[in-house]
Amino acid sequence: DGGITQSPKYLFRKEGQNVTLSCEQNLNHDAMYWYRQDPGQGLRLIYYSQIVNDFQKGDIAEGYSVSREKKESFPLTVTSAQKNPTAFYLCASRGPKNTEAFFGQGTRLTVV
Amino acid sequence: AQSVTQPDIHITVSEGASLELRCNYSYGATPYLFWYVQSPGQGLQLLLKYFSGDTLVQGIKGFEAEFKRSQSSFNLRKPSVHWSDAAEYFCAGTMDTGRRALTFGSGTRLQVQP
Repeated sequence: DGGITQSPKYLFRKEGQNVTLSCEQNLNHDAMYWYRQDPGQGLRLIYYSQIVNDFQKGDIAEGYSVSREKKESFPLTVTSAQKNPTAFYLCASRGPKNTEAFFGQGTRLTVV
Repeated sequence: AQSVTQPDIHITVSEGASLELRCNYSYGATPYLFWYVQSPGQGLQLLLKYFSGDTLVQGIKGFEAEFKRSQSSFNLRKPSVHWSDAAEYFCAGTMDTGRRALTFGSGTRLQVQP
């Protein structure tokens, strides 16, 4: 089945640690996105990539980094510079114009 | 700035009653519009989408939405709500240019009373 796989489902981070969230898609989509979801704030765009080896900052990129070395993969690293990383993180991908975005099942990150 | 607004944070309806969730958009031109649903701890599932043409759009699970340009709205409706419809609903839009990312409203949490 085609889709987007995020792992792990739950992740715990200690203060000062970097952690990496995985996002893999087999939909052959060029565009991929990372969103952060906090209660009552909807989804906010962290980073996006429209093609392999290229990515751009979204609206809340501070404290995060990404890479896009393969079309299928768009991992997100939450660095120690992110002061409030506890949130639900969603990865999405989109195909050509006039199509919707497809979402993974999310990763819940908690700082301990 | 491009934005999507969902005025209702939380709505409670009785099972079998009709439902309307509000969504307003602010774009320079007509955007592509979407409604997604999210169960707790899960990803987002597409309910329906509007790109152009017929302003009444049918989606999955018996949902429909009407695009009204004069009101900058794209409200989601269902004639008879089921207990399984309890979830959070997000309206989203994009001009599908530039970064092509969807901009989301803050969501409406639907509670269904027996």
